[in-house]
Amino acid sequence: AQSVSQHNHHVILSEAASLELGCNYSYGGTVNLFWYVQYPGQHLQLLLKYFSGDPLVKGIKGFEAEFIKSKFSFNLRKPSVQWSDTAEYFCAVSSGGYQKVTFGTGTKLQVIP
Amino acid sequence: NAGVTQTPKFRILKIGQSMTLQCAQDMNHNYMYWYRQDPGMGLKLIYYSVGAGITDKGEVPNGYNVSRSTTEDFPLRLELAAPSQTSVYFCASSGTDKSSYNEQFFGPGTRLTVL
Repeated sequence: AQSVSQHNHHVILSEAASLELGCNYSYGGTVNLFWYVQYPGQHLQLLLKYFSGDPLVKGIKGFEAEFIKSKFSFNLRKPSVQWSDTAEYFCAVSSGGYQKVTFGTGTKLQVIP
Repeated sequence: NAGVTQTPKFRILKIGQSMTLQCAQDMNHNYMYWYRQDPGMGLKLIYYSVGAGITDKGEVPNGYNVSRSTTEDFPLRLELAAPSQTSVYFCASSGTDKSSYNEQFFGPGTRLTVL
């Protein structure tokens, strides 16, 4: 069974700091990769996704992620965070043609004004 | 489009009671899912469905049941509620359109407490 690891459980940053959240997965074949965000008290929303093509994926709100196949990684980045980015971030992966998606345990980001 | 809707938003149950969490989607998605979210544990898949009349177990199905009689609806049934089922439950759906393949759309969640 595939697994997804998010090594940072809780990250605290000041506004304007740069962000990088790590995500590693275990499956060695073709994968679809996602980052979801969950703002306090809300449901998960898609930030960005990778299916194929350019490994550098740009999402909403200035977020981007880079797929590095050799490292089984899909790290999320943002050059300058804002207080409104305070949320929990989930990495997710699906493999093959089957639509089952495995989620990581999430990283809570707290941005201090 | 309303997307994925869930009812109720909050519920408190006593141990041993039963209830049904409702989920509906209006995007004509074939795939639907139920997850539970516990602090620090991410999302765990309870049950999923690949179409009307077809359901299967996920990682943590014990204590739950589902049915899928229509494309739109995917209710989750809790029988004999236990404190371990205290959680936030999310329903999600996904379609087969190539532009959103495997992208899951989530409902607002149901916060359930079992006392």
